[in-house]
Amino acid sequence: SQQGEEDPQALSIQEGENATMNCSYKTSINNLQWYRQNSGRGLVHLILIRSNEREKHSGRLRVTLDTSKKSSSLLITASRAADTASYFCATRSPGTYKYIFGTGTRLKVLA
Amino acid sequence: NAGVTQTPKFQVLKTGQSMTLQCAQDMNHNSMYWYRQDPGMGLRLIYYSASEGTTDKGEVPNGYNVSRLNKREFSLRLESAAPSQTSVYFCASRDSGSSGDYEQYFGPGTRLTVT
Repeated sequence: SQQGEEDPQALSIQEGENATMNCSYKTSINNLQWYRQNSGRGLVHLILIRSNEREKHSGRLRVTLDTSKKSSSLLITASRAADTASYFCATRSPGTYKYIFGTGTRLKVLA
Repeated sequence: NAGVTQTPKFQVLKTGQSMTLQCAQDMNHNSMYWYRQDPGMGLRLIYYSASEGTTDKGEVPNGYNVSRLNKREFSLRLESAAPSQTSVYFCASRDSGSSGDYEQYFGPGTRLTVT
């Protein structure tokens, strides 16, 4: 399978805590994107990081990328109950229109 | 601006029946995608269309066909449904400028059960 992997598979934290999830991928990439999926819904784009970037911020989100290790992490700070969702990374390799998604992390934020 | 729409939302088929899943986008995007999502498997690419008039296989194309009817519409057809095709199907679209750094927009999904 070409799929990337994410860990942990599931994460349960208290409201106000930080949540960190990791993504590993297998091939060289052009960019890496993170998506959120609420239960029973389609995916929503959160943030994109290019292969020549190491860190990117957007609101309470912080993404890092280590191309030498073929890995990325997504940090959600000061989590809220509304952050409860599944989170997926997706990579696109140079010269292709295809995206490879990770297996996802199910985050539960307890109020 | 509806974004990406999919029909139907739910469908139950018997083994061997055929059906077409419809997808349309109103964002003037060039690229469109069909994925399936199974529990614990994330999303897997079935077919994609980089631009109007072109289609290419993804990771799991067997048992499916697609048609890029025009720039707006991209349909997925199951010719002879099998229980292994029970899944949630998502359509997505993306702009495709020269940099390639564009997000995908997803439809709400079609839940398909094959008995």
